[in-house]
Amino acid sequence: QSALTQPASVSGSPGQSITISCTGTSSDVGGYNYVSWYQQHPGKAPKLMIYDVSNRPSGVSNRFSGSKSGNTASLTISGLQAEDEADYYCSSYTSSSTLYVVFGGGTKLTVL
Amino acid sequence: QLQLQESGPGLVKPSETLSLTCTVSGGSISSSSYYWGWIRQPPGKGLEWIGSIYYSGSTYYNPSLKSRVTISVDTSKNQFSLKLSSVTAADTAVYYCARRSCYSSWFDPWGQGTLVTVSS
Repeated sequence: QSALTQPASVSGSPGQSITISCTGTSSDVGGYNYVSWYQQHPGKAPKLMIYDVSNRPSGVSNRFSGSKSGNTASLTISGLQAEDEADYYCSSYTSSSTLYVVFGGGTKLTVL
Repeated sequence: QLQLQESGPGLVKPSETLSLTCTVSGGSISSSSYYWGWIRQPPGKGLEWIGSIYYSGSTYYNPSLKSRVTISVDTSKNQFSLKLSSVTAADTAVYYCARRSCYSSWFDPWGQGTLVTVSS
């Protein structure tokens, strides 16, 4: 099963901005504007933070933003806060075989 | 407010069948705008999509699990279910149910998840 590629970890200090990348192929990230991002705190279920590349669900802070260029999507968190420390996963629709949905391997964000 | 809740045994023996049910409350599972899906997460690892079902019964499975997976829906009970046969220790994971948009690929909301351990 193919997976989207994310960095294993990123870190930043409070108040700073960080960006998490998510690299796929033209069959998933590059071919469709159906990239979503999830935040997962330890022992909790994933929470949708960004959908369709750059849209924020109601209730999600505007410090979270998403974008895409070619086969790489990005999640940017500005004004980093301690509560942002969590795992982040990207996901995309894929036309590869009948997989339909593929996830990234996850990125651990540490707030220093 | 839509909520999903997984239920089922937390311990399954190797070679047996894992069975879980997701109960949807605060909304109808018969909505034409959504699929209903299962996702799992082995301890300390990432997310893996298992499969999805539409209220009509149409199903879509991860090719890597397709031979062992069956997802069904019971609209009268507002529930959908997962069966995974011939389980091994590699199937030990937290299993989540979630709603998925028909027009995109995002999942929201998610159930709280249930840990299923495969062990004799």
